[in-house]
Amino acid sequence: EAQVTQNPRYLITVTGKKLTVTCSQNMNHEYMSWYRQDPGLGLRQIYYSMNVEVTDKGDVPEGYKVSRKEKRNFPLILESPSPNQTSLYFCASSLGARGQAGELFFGEGSRLTVL
Amino acid sequence: GDSVTQMEGPVTLSEEAFLTINCTYTATGYPSLFWYVQYPGEGLQLLLKATKADDKGSNKGFEATYRKETTSFHLEKGSVQVSDSAVYFCARRDSGYALNFGKGTSLLVTP
Repeated sequence: EAQVTQNPRYLITVTGKKLTVTCSQNMNHEYMSWYRQDPGLGLRQIYYSMNVEVTDKGDVPEGYKVSRKEKRNFPLILESPSPNQTSLYFCASSLGARGQAGELFFGEGSRLTVL
Repeated sequence: GDSVTQMEGPVTLSEEAFLTINCTYTATGYPSLFWYVQYPGEGLQLLLKATKADDKGSNKGFEATYRKETTSFHLEKGSVQVSDSAVYFCARRDSGYALNFGKGTSLLVTP
């Protein structure tokens, strides 16, 4: 089954404790992206990756890191989480070829609470 | 301003009512336009799309027409069901890969 898998789905942590949210897709997609969803703000892009070893900042990259060492994986790293990073996070992927109309496939989300 | 603006919710309708959720976009370039739906506790999934002016996207009884003259992509459904209760996001994509989303419109359909 084609899917984007995120882990963990739910996490409560404390300020400053490094954490990683994993994302994996099994569709051989080139493009992957992280979004955060907050009430009244909709979805905002954090980072994206056009292909292996190619990453770039989205609209709200501060406080986050990513890596793309393999095509299928795109982990989101919070080196020193703060309460303002409490949010619902979504990983998404897309085939990426310019001939495509850009459908994004989303994971089920990871709800992160930073105390 | 925002590249995608959609009507604020929540929208509450009775079952079988007509639905319209307005969406307008900034008129730069020739974007592709999308509607995504997010059911409770799930990620977003593509509902329909249109890639050029006058295209009509349709799926599951929902429709939206790409109107270049009014820079709009309003979502419509003739008769909503309780199972349509969800958050609906309008989005645009320019020549790159990134999607710019509206803030979402929550729809609640009551029996």
